[in-house]
Amino acid sequence: GAGVSQSPSNKVTEKGKDVELRCDPISGHTALYWYRQSLGQGLEFLIYFQGNSAPDKSGLPSDRFSAERTGGSVSTLTIQRTQQEDSAVYLCASSLAQGWASNEKLFFGSGTQLSVL
Amino acid sequence: QKEVEQNSGPLSVPEGAIASLNCTYSDRGSQSFFWYRQYSGKSPELIMFIYSNGDKEDGRFTAQLNKASQYVSLLIRDSQPSDSATYLCAALIQGAQKLVFGQGTRLTINP
Repeated sequence: GAGVSQSPSNKVTEKGKDVELRCDPISGHTALYWYRQSLGQGLEFLIYFQGNSAPDKSGLPSDRFSAERTGGSVSTLTIQRTQQEDSAVYLCASSLAQGWASNEKLFFGSGTQLSVL
Repeated sequence: QKEVEQNSGPLSVPEGAIASLNCTYSDRGSQSFFWYRQYSGKSPELIMFIYSNGDKEDGRFTAQLNKASQYVSLLIRDSQPSDSATYLCAALIQGAQKLVFGQGTRLTINP
């Protein structure tokens, strides 16, 4: 596709339910990031995939959060047993990440607004 | 200590003046730095990157990097109301090769 695609754009769920958020990066981009942005806050790093390397999961806030990237392309972020504090915009971004600063430019999707009631 | 820190603002600047946004980083090994602009309700978009000490100019925007002092700044000349947004500073963390963002500075340009 022409850009990073995320779905759904909005998700309302009840506390305790599991949710899956999907990200389809730009074709050919080897790096994929998930960030979380609470209202009026900056971007909180969650997880980073780079090619076939093991993902950097250091930003995941708890073991209720997990993510996978299948075939080096589409990624799914799963939140189990959602809590109200999980409510935020979840942003996905991808880049060429070929070691040059110019290739580290992140292209962001439109995000998924998650609301946990 | 956060890896990338910014003053969250809000920063208010009159139209036509210079807006100065600052950012500090903790990882001395970081090599590349980025400024993203985020309009309310929208996703961030890259406006500049810098990896050499000194200044880098692009139109009304100038990025400044001082590796010895571990700070990055963004100057916006002839500020316009359309520049009103949140500006996010990001650093590429050496070794981990991941992009870490500051909390952003909210900038308002007053007509």
